[in-house]
Amino acid sequence: AQSVTQLGSHVSVSEGALVLLRCNYSSSVPPYLFWYVQYPNQGLQLLLKYTTGATLVKGINGFEAEFKKSETSFHLTKPSAHMSDAAEYFCAVSEFEEYGNKLVFGAGTILRVKS
Amino acid sequence: EPEVTQTPSHQVTQMGQEVILRCVPISNHLYFYWYRQILGQKVEFLVSFYNNEISEKSEIFDDQFSVERPDGSNFTLKIRSTKLEDSAMYFCASSEAEKLFFGSGTQLSVL
Repeated sequence: AQSVTQLGSHVSVSEGALVLLRCNYSSSVPPYLFWYVQYPNQGLQLLLKYTTGATLVKGINGFEAEFKKSETSFHLTKPSAHMSDAAEYFCAVSEFEEYGNKLVFGAGTILRVKS
Repeated sequence: EPEVTQTPSHQVTQMGQEVILRCVPISNHLYFYWYRQILGQKVEFLVSFYNNEISEKSEIFDDQFSVERPDGSNFTLKIRSTKLEDSAMYFCASSEAEKLFFGSGTQLSVL
């Protein structure tokens, strides 16, 4: 069975500082990996995804993540935090089958950005 | 950008009552899903729907739950007899392939 572990339920950074949100996954087959962001009172918005190919993937709002198979990790980074990045971030893993894509989510990390 | 629309945004109901949560997926998508998030817990998969039938469901999705695509545009989740523990944010999603688009959710409160 697939699973996702997000280290740190809360992360606090200063504006302009590096953002690093950690995600480790477990999957018996090559996974699809995703980061979603949830702003207050809104739905889940896809930041980026890894399916195949280049292991460093770039997403929206300056975020990127690197798939490291040997470490079973897919950490999310952004070089310089902005106040608008404050939100909850979810890492997810899946195996896309012909009948759909069941995502397994991590518990989420709340990012706080201090001015 | 096209989006998934969910109504209502908030639903309050009495325990034992039936509720129907409504979703309009993105029009050319083939796969439809319901997820839920109990306050303070993970987002959990409930059910996926493809080709007019349930393709996969979780242990949570018991006989009290059902899904329907009644008219080719709407996708509904029905809970027949709500329990207190059904209180959660329910998210609808749709996809063409591996990328899921989520709605903004319906907050269900069972009193």
